[in-house]
Amino acid sequence: DTEVTQTPKHLVMGMTNKKSLKCEQHMGHRAMYWYKQKAKKPPELMFVYSYEKLSINESVPSRFSPECPNSSLLNLHLHALQPEDSALYLCASSHRLAGGKHEQYFGPGTRLTVT
Amino acid sequence: ILNVEQSPQSLHVQEGDSTNFTCSFPSSNFYALHWYRWETAKSPEALFVMTLNGDEKKKGRISATLNTKEGYSYLYIKGSQPEDSATYLCAFDNQGGKLIFGQGTELSVKP
Repeated sequence: DTEVTQTPKHLVMGMTNKKSLKCEQHMGHRAMYWYKQKAKKPPELMFVYSYEKLSINESVPSRFSPECPNSSLLNLHLHALQPEDSALYLCASSHRLAGGKHEQYFGPGTRLTVT
Repeated sequence: ILNVEQSPQSLHVQEGDSTNFTCSFPSSNFYALHWYRWETAKSPEALFVMTLNGDEKKKGRISATLNTKEGYSYLYIKGSQPEDSATYLCAFDNQGGKLIFGQGTELSVKP
């Protein structure tokens, strides 16, 4: 199984809502990533987990809260978002963090709209 | 700020044409250079991870070369097919796992 799954596919939320994005992989990968992608822009790294520990936080606002409950799951908890946070949120995983030398496997993304 | 530049931004070719695009990246502190293909409504798919200067990699009709001293990589597609239509992204890693993506080259292959 070389698939990274993400749920939900689409999410519309108000600025006062709390919601979560989920990502799952069963490839035994120990590095997992969250990216944000706005239209016509490249994906931007948000967070990296390595062996279930937060390894990189790209100065992301605290209204985004990542969680890695086990080696197969990665969540992104959302609270008090702004309309400018509307974007495609991509999850990825790789065998290890190891100097970026391992290809990353991406999920299809969650299209988030904040109203 | 690290810049990863891809050119051209978009490309329209006829079926059977061969084509190539460029990824430029900083030449210092190089760890790896990734190429991904991203079809509309699908997940980005890894094509190559390149780590050594002079690397050449091939997957079917697609190949890539790497020059870390001058900071560029080329992606070549031989005999383009409509199913090659996608956005091709390169990503540069100089910090051990943190990928910085270019804006992509959008390829459209007409039958």
